[in-house]
Amino acid sequence: QSALTQPASVSGSPGQSITISCTGTSSDIGAYKYVSWYQQYPGKAPKLMIYEVSNRPSGVSHRFSGSKSGNTASLTISGLQAEDEADYYCSSSVSSRGWLFGGGTKLTVL
Amino acid sequence: EVQLVESGGGLVQPGGSLRLSCAGSGFTFSTSWMHWVRHAPGKGLVWVSRIKSDGSTTSYADSVKGRFTISRDNAKNTLYLQMNSLRAEDTAVYYCVREGGDLWGQGTLVTVSS
Repeated sequence: QSALTQPASVSGSPGQSITISCTGTSSDIGAYKYVSWYQQYPGKAPKLMIYEVSNRPSGVSHRFSGSKSGNTASLTISGLQAEDEADYYCSSSVSSRGWLFGGGTKLTVL
Repeated sequence: EVQLVESGGGLVQPGGSLRLSCAGSGFTFSTSWMHWVRHAPGKGLVWVSRIKSDGSTTSYADSVKGRFTISRDNAKNTLYLQMNSLRAEDTAVYYCVREGGDLWGQGTLVTVSS
């Protein structure tokens, strides 16, 4: 099964909002509500930022939000801050086959 | 403290074997489905395998099926990944992850090279 499709990179200035898309198929993103987003700094483990499409774990800034339409999920970060510069990955649960990840998006804060 | 701690990574020759361990603490390990996810240098995250809380059901990515075996010992709060017939493309940092993705270990590096 192919990875979910994310843009390789996005950028924005401090204070701006950016959106990262994650495109799958009707067999993964389109079929389940279990879409998650992770933030990863170099050399560190990923951190869960969004689960079940739009829910934020305790402690995650309200500047992070998630949504889904059809086979595409999106992560929006508002009020960009320098500390948001990291790699972001989407994932979808795929029935009994575990998780499918996107290729990752490098966010640069200009 | 709620945490997962991996161990067992290292350098191994192509065709060799390695067993990774992941010790859980601070939560009810025995009721948690668990996963292994890997991150190759310069590449994205890739799901490897998962196991049901009681160990009765397992799933694998096609790329490791038949070579890797996931298991667990709930009495020891420990998850395992037995990796056989290792290939260069298995080189990666391997993470154990709790179902839901809210808890990751620090990762352990596996390098397959002659």
